[in-house]
Amino acid sequence: GENVEQHPSTLSVQEGDSAVIKCTYSDSASNYFPWYKQELGKRPQLIIDIRSNVGEKKDQRIAVTLNKTAKHFSLHITETQPEDSAVYFCAALTQGGSEKLVFGKGTKLTVNP
Amino acid sequence: KAGVTQTPRYLIKTRGQQVTLSCSPISGHRSVSWYQQTPGQGLQFLFEYFSETQRNKGNFPGRFSGRQFSNSRSEMNVSTLELGDSALYLCASSPRTESYGYTFGSGTRLTVV
Repeated sequence: GENVEQHPSTLSVQEGDSAVIKCTYSDSASNYFPWYKQELGKRPQLIIDIRSNVGEKKDQRIAVTLNKTAKHFSLHITETQPEDSAVYFCAALTQGGSEKLVFGKGTKLTVNP
Repeated sequence: KAGVTQTPRYLIKTRGQQVTLSCSPISGHRSVSWYQQTPGQGLQFLFEYFSETQRNKGNFPGRFSGRQFSNSRSEMNVSTLELGDSALYLCASSPRTESYGYTFGSGTRLTVV
Protein backbone atom coordinates (compact mmCIF):
# COMPACT_ATOMS: atom_id res chain seq x y z
CA GLY A 1 0.00 0.00 0.00
CA GLU A 2 0.94 3.66 0.04
CA ASN A 3 3.82 4.44 2.37
CA VAL A 4 5.78 7.46 3.59
CA GLU A 5 9.17 6.96 5.21
CA GLN A 6 10.57 9.74 7.39
CA HIS A 7 14.13 10.21 8.70
CA PRO A 8 15.58 10.78 11.17
CA SER A 9 13.22 9.81 13.98
CA THR A 10 15.04 12.13 16.39
CA LEU A 11 17.18 15.18 15.68
CA SER A 12 19.05 17.36 18.14
CA VAL A 13 20.64 20.64 17.04
CA GLN A 14 22.12 23.71 18.66
CA GLU A 15 20.20 26.95 18.52
CA GLY A 16 21.06 28.80 15.32
CA ASP A 17 21.95 25.66 13.39
CA SER A 18 19.93 24.26 10.51
CA ALA A 19 17.76 21.16 10.66
CA VAL A 20 16.82 18.90 7.76
CA ILE A 21 14.15 16.19 7.79
CA LYS A 22 13.71 13.87 4.82
CA CYS A 23 10.76 11.85 3.56
CA THR A 24 10.23 9.41 0.73
CA TYR A 25 6.90 8.30 -0.67
CA SER A 26 5.82 5.27 -2.63
CA ASP A 27 2.87 6.48 -4.72
CA SER A 28 4.25 8.23 -7.79
CA ALA A 29 0.82 9.80 -8.36
CA SER A 30 1.00 11.75 -5.08
CA ASN A 31 0.57 15.46 -5.80
CA TYR A 32 0.47 17.28 -2.47
CA PHE A 33 2.99 17.21 0.38
CA PRO A 34 2.28 19.03 3.65
CA TRP A 35 4.43 19.28 6.76
CA TYR A 36 2.93 19.46 10.24
CA LYS A 37 4.41 20.54 13.56
CA GLN A 38 3.01 19.02 16.73
CA GLU A 39 3.99 20.35 20.12
CA LEU A 40 3.47 18.19 23.18
CA GLY A 41 -0.22 17.82 23.98
CA LYS A 42 -1.33 19.92 21.04
CA ARG A 43 -2.82 19.30 17.63
CA PRO A 44 -0.71 18.97 14.49
CA GLN A 45 -0.41 22.35 12.76
CA LEU A 46 0.33 22.83 9.08
CA ILE A 47 3.57 24.78 8.69
CA ILE A 48 4.24 24.50 4.97
CA ASP A 49 3.09 22.49 1.98
CA ILE A 50 4.14 21.95 -1.61
CA ARG A 51 2.46 20.69 -4.75
CA SER A 52 3.96 18.32 -7.26
CA ASN A 53 4.32 21.02 -9.93
CA VAL A 54 6.72 23.01 -7.73
CA GLY A 55 10.28 22.06 -6.79
CA GLU A 56 10.80 24.33 -3.82
CA LYS A 57 8.82 26.59 -1.53
CA LYS A 58 10.06 28.90 1.21
CA ASP A 59 8.38 30.69 4.08
CA GLN A 60 10.78 32.72 6.22
CA ARG A 61 13.04 30.19 8.02
CA ILE A 62 11.23 27.15 6.64
CA ALA A 63 11.65 25.64 3.20
CA VAL A 64 10.52 22.45 1.52
CA THR A 65 12.08 20.84 -1.53
CA LEU A 66 10.53 18.15 -3.71
CA ASN A 67 12.25 15.70 -6.06
CA LYS A 68 9.48 13.92 -7.96
CA THR A 69 11.87 11.67 -9.86
CA ALA A 70 13.36 10.30 -6.67
CA LYS A 71 10.03 10.53 -4.83
CA HIS A 72 11.42 12.37 -1.88
CA PHE A 73 10.87 15.70 -0.20
CA SER A 74 12.62 17.51 2.61
CA LEU A 75 11.96 20.13 5.26
CA HIS A 76 14.69 22.64 5.97
CA ILE A 77 14.62 24.88 9.04
CA THR A 78 17.32 27.54 9.26
CA GLU A 79 18.44 29.54 12.30
CA THR A 80 16.65 27.16 14.62
CA GLN A 81 15.19 28.45 17.89
CA PRO A 82 14.16 26.58 21.06
CA GLU A 83 10.50 27.12 20.13
CA ASP A 84 11.08 25.02 17.00
CA SER A 85 11.35 21.99 19.31
CA ALA A 86 8.44 19.68 18.47
CA VAL A 87 7.55 16.57 16.49
CA TYR A 88 7.41 17.18 12.74
CA PHE A 89 5.36 15.01 10.41
CA CYS A 90 5.56 14.84 6.65
CA ALA A 91 2.64 13.58 4.60
CA ALA A 92 1.76 12.74 1.03
CA LEU A 93 -1.67 12.89 -0.56
CA THR A 94 -1.82 9.53 -2.28
CA GLN A 95 -3.93 8.98 -5.36
CA GLY A 96 -3.71 5.28 -6.01
CA GLY A 97 -7.13 3.73 -5.50
CA SER A 98 -8.30 6.18 -2.88
CA GLU A 99 -7.09 9.70 -2.21
CA LYS A 100 -5.88 10.10 1.37
CA LEU A 101 -3.18 11.83 3.38
CA VAL A 102 -0.54 9.31 4.47
CA PHE A 103 1.87 10.41 7.21
CA GLY A 104 5.44 9.61 8.06
CA LYS A 105 6.17 8.39 11.59
CA GLY A 106 7.47 11.78 12.73
CA THR A 107 10.76 13.41 13.73
CA LYS A 108 11.29 14.70 17.24
CA LEU A 109 13.36 17.86 16.88
CA THR A 110 15.12 19.27 19.93
CA VAL A 111 16.80 22.66 19.69
CA ASN A 112 19.26 23.17 22.53
CA PRO A 113 19.79 26.74 23.73
CA LYS B 1 -13.09 31.86 11.81
CA ALA B 2 -13.60 29.00 14.25
CA GLY B 3 -11.27 26.03 13.94
CA VAL B 4 -12.01 22.34 14.00
CA THR B 5 -13.82 21.33 17.18
CA GLN B 6 -13.64 17.85 18.63
CA THR B 7 -15.64 16.62 21.58
CA PRO B 8 -15.12 15.26 24.11
CA ARG B 9 -11.45 16.02 24.79
CA TYR B 10 -10.97 13.04 27.07
CA LEU B 11 -12.76 9.73 27.50
CA ILE B 12 -12.21 6.71 29.69
CA LYS B 13 -14.07 3.57 28.69
CA THR B 14 -14.07 -0.07 29.69
CA ARG B 15 -13.24 -2.94 27.36
CA GLY B 16 -16.28 -4.08 25.44
CA GLN B 17 -18.05 -0.74 25.57
CA GLN B 18 -18.64 1.48 22.58
CA VAL B 19 -17.80 5.14 22.10
CA THR B 20 -18.85 7.99 19.81
CA LEU B 21 -16.58 10.92 19.03
CA SER B 22 -17.66 14.14 17.36
CA CYS B 23 -15.93 16.53 14.97
CA SER B 24 -17.23 19.88 13.73
CA PRO B 25 -15.21 21.12 10.74
CA ILE B 26 -14.31 24.66 9.80
CA SER B 27 -17.32 26.43 8.33
CA GLY B 28 -17.49 25.73 4.61
CA HIS B 29 -15.29 22.65 4.75
CA ARG B 30 -17.07 19.61 3.40
CA SER B 31 -14.38 17.00 3.96
CA VAL B 32 -13.66 15.42 7.33
CA SER B 33 -10.90 12.83 7.80
CA TRP B 34 -10.25 10.81 10.93
CA TYR B 35 -6.86 9.62 12.18
CA GLN B 36 -5.69 7.48 15.06
CA GLN B 37 -2.45 8.65 16.68
CA THR B 38 -0.40 6.34 18.88
CA PRO B 39 3.26 6.57 19.94
CA GLY B 40 4.18 3.42 18.09
CA GLN B 41 2.22 3.80 14.85
CA GLY B 42 2.07 7.54 14.37
CA LEU B 43 -0.89 9.00 12.49
CA GLN B 44 -2.97 6.33 10.81
CA PHE B 45 -5.82 7.10 8.44
CA LEU B 46 -9.22 5.79 9.50
CA PHE B 47 -11.64 7.22 6.93
CA GLU B 48 -12.76 10.33 5.12
CA TYR B 49 -16.22 11.73 4.59
CA PHE B 50 -17.24 14.24 1.95
CA SER B 51 -20.78 15.50 1.48
CA GLU B 52 -22.15 12.79 3.79
CA THR B 53 -20.45 9.97 1.83
CA GLN B 54 -17.50 7.89 2.93
CA ARG B 55 -14.85 8.40 0.25
CA ASN B 56 -11.99 6.37 1.64
CA LYS B 57 -11.33 3.91 4.40
CA GLY B 58 -8.09 2.85 6.05
CA ASN B 59 -7.03 -0.57 7.25
CA PHE B 60 -9.03 -0.72 10.45
CA PRO B 61 -11.53 -3.40 11.53
CA GLY B 62 -15.25 -2.95 11.03
CA ARG B 63 -15.59 -1.95 14.69
CA PHE B 64 -14.53 1.50 13.54
CA SER B 65 -17.26 3.35 11.68
CA GLY B 66 -18.31 6.88 10.99
CA ARG B 67 -20.83 9.13 9.41
CA GLN B 68 -21.26 12.71 8.30
CA PHE B 69 -24.29 14.90 8.62
CA SER B 70 -25.71 17.46 6.22
CA ASN B 71 -23.99 20.27 8.16
CA SER B 72 -20.63 18.47 7.60
CA ARG B 73 -20.25 17.52 11.25
CA SER B 74 -18.89 14.02 11.56
CA GLU B 75 -18.99 11.30 14.17
CA MET B 76 -16.90 8.20 14.51
CA ASN B 77 -17.94 5.19 16.50
CA VAL B 78 -15.85 2.39 17.93
CA SER B 79 -17.72 -0.66 19.15
CA THR B 80 -16.52 -3.46 21.41
CA LEU B 81 -13.55 -1.46 22.63
CA GLU B 82 -10.19 -3.15 23.09
CA LEU B 83 -7.20 -1.99 25.16
CA GLY B 84 -5.32 -1.36 21.92
CA ASP B 85 -7.87 1.26 20.89
CA SER B 86 -6.43 3.65 23.46
CA ALA B 87 -5.13 6.54 21.38
CA LEU B 88 -5.55 10.15 20.41
CA TYR B 89 -8.24 10.40 17.73
CA LEU B 90 -7.82 13.39 15.47
CA CYS B 91 -10.07 14.73 12.81
CA ALA B 92 -9.03 17.07 10.03
CA SER B 93 -11.25 19.20 7.86
CA SER B 94 -10.49 20.36 4.35
CA PRO B 95 -12.29 22.42 1.75
CA ARG B 96 -11.19 19.79 -0.78
CA THR B 97 -10.40 22.46 -3.32
CA GLU B 98 -7.13 23.45 -4.98
CA SER B 99 -5.70 24.49 -1.62
CA TYR B 100 -6.42 21.21 0.17
CA GLY B 101 -5.39 22.67 3.54
CA TYR B 102 -6.12 19.93 6.05
CA THR B 103 -6.66 21.52 9.47
CA PHE B 104 -6.65 19.33 12.56
CA GLY B 105 -8.75 19.53 15.65
CA SER B 106 -7.26 19.12 19.14
CA GLY B 107 -8.31 15.50 19.28
CA THR B 108 -10.08 13.18 21.68
CA ARG B 109 -7.86 11.21 24.05
CA LEU B 110 -9.48 7.80 24.48
CA THR B 111 -8.30 5.49 27.24
CA VAL B 112 -9.66 1.96 27.38
CA VAL B 113 -9.27 0.17 30.70
